[in-house]
Amino acid sequence: GAVVSQHPSRVICKSGTSVKIECRSLDFQATTMFWYRQFPKQSLMLMATSNEGSKATYEQGVEKDKFLINHASLTLSTLTVTSAHPEDSSFYICSARDPGLAGGETQYFGPGTRLLVL
Amino acid sequence: LAKTTQPISMDSYEGQEVNITCSHNNIATNDYITWYQQFPSQGPRFIIQGYKTKVTNEVASLFIPADRKSSTLSLPRVSLSDTAVYYCLVAPRNQGGKLIFGQGTELSVKP
Repeated sequence: GAVVSQHPSRVICKSGTSVKIECRSLDFQATTMFWYRQFPKQSLMLMATSNEGSKATYEQGVEKDKFLINHASLTLSTLTVTSAHPEDSSFYICSARDPGLAGGETQYFGPGTRLLVL
Repeated sequence: LAKTTQPISMDSYEGQEVNITCSHNNIATNDYITWYQQFPSQGPRFIIQGYKTKVTNEVASLFIPADRKSSTLSLPRVSLSDTAVYYCLVAPRNQGGKLIFGQGTELSVKP
């Protein structure tokens, strides 16, 4: 299947700083990528849909000024957690669709980024 | 998006066949059913996808009855490494690909 990478895999930062997480589709072009957040022992929660060349679409309750999303190219989307606070500590996961594959609605997920805000 | 209901947890032993059933009573005509597996601190991994009847790949089988209001993921001869959370998702094709995860089924395989 298609491969999606994330960087960094884990990051520790001080409260008030901003953190950027990258999501890349390695062997396909993704016009749409998705960002999820997952707290311990909970399911994935969709945060936003990242569209190449246009603004991201945020789910209800997700602050767009807090979680900045930039889909700069067909293989890269970034999520920036601005002015991070301890409650932003979580596991952030991105995914991308490969429309070129048979069953093109299948989403492929990155390995996730563990964020710890001190 | 159709809501899904799965058992919260299941226990099994190595070598057994495991069947996880998911209910999706409000599935729409153009919805597909997809199952993902997630290990701790990893992103979900695609297992199988289907629309109706039966789909089989090298990892699992997916059984979907004619009314499509439920589906069953079948894992043949599980091993300890199959211990994970399994998610059933229902979503339409060609409409943006947005997926809403339910709580999933935590499968524990014991020796």
